[in-house]
Amino acid sequence: EAGVAQSPRYKIIEKRQSVAFWCNPISGHATLYWYQQILGQGPKLLIQFQNNGVVDDSQLPKDRFSAERLKGVDSTLKIQPAKLEDSAVYLCASSSVAGDQYFGPGTRLLVL
Amino acid sequence: GDSVTQMEGPVTLSEEAFLTINCTYTATGYPSLFWYVQYPGEGLQLLLKATKADDKGSNKGFEATYRKETTSFHLEKGSVQVSDSAVYFCALSDGGGANSKLTFGKGITLSVRP
Repeated sequence: EAGVAQSPRYKIIEKRQSVAFWCNPISGHATLYWYQQILGQGPKLLIQFQNNGVVDDSQLPKDRFSAERLKGVDSTLKIQPAKLEDSAVYLCASSSVAGDQYFGPGTRLLVL
Repeated sequence: GDSVTQMEGPVTLSEEAFLTINCTYTATGYPSLFWYVQYPGEGLQLLLKATKADDKGSNKGFEATYRKETTSFHLEKGSVQVSDSAVYFCALSDGGGANSKLTFGKGITLSVRP
């Protein structure tokens, strides 16, 4: 069974630029999560989707972050404009309903 | 709100040493508890879990027991290997079903010397 796929693996941008991350969950998993992991901290949930609907986006900085999951499968997380403090690893995870979460390898973002 | 507290790190051990990593939590209701491991350059992997009080999760020689009376879920291994070097995260889930979300501790880095 293929795992959660993410791309790109690494991204370096300058502040005020925009960036997008892509995630393809495990086949059949209805729930998709985006987490932000700042160096030295545990992952923090940004947004949770159930199929193509948003379940929880209370921690998403909506003035600069946006996410979509249009067809209920893969998802895109965008940052526009990026700030220095957005430097982090962005993790995507998926789960079946009431199942365990499986994580992708993450995208490491550096904002200069 | 829910929170997870892990002991301060990093931890450095010699191969075959005994490992304990402390984890305590604060939550309303009856959360499920997890340990995740992150090897260098990789994403998080579920190591073990426990869904109710007194349950013991185990995997790859690691164990943790859900202690409701002390709100703890300490991770133990009797004999660590160099390959166990990684970052370990304790986490809780606030409930089952579609609205389940994970709250993580800060993580602790374990280095095992040959």
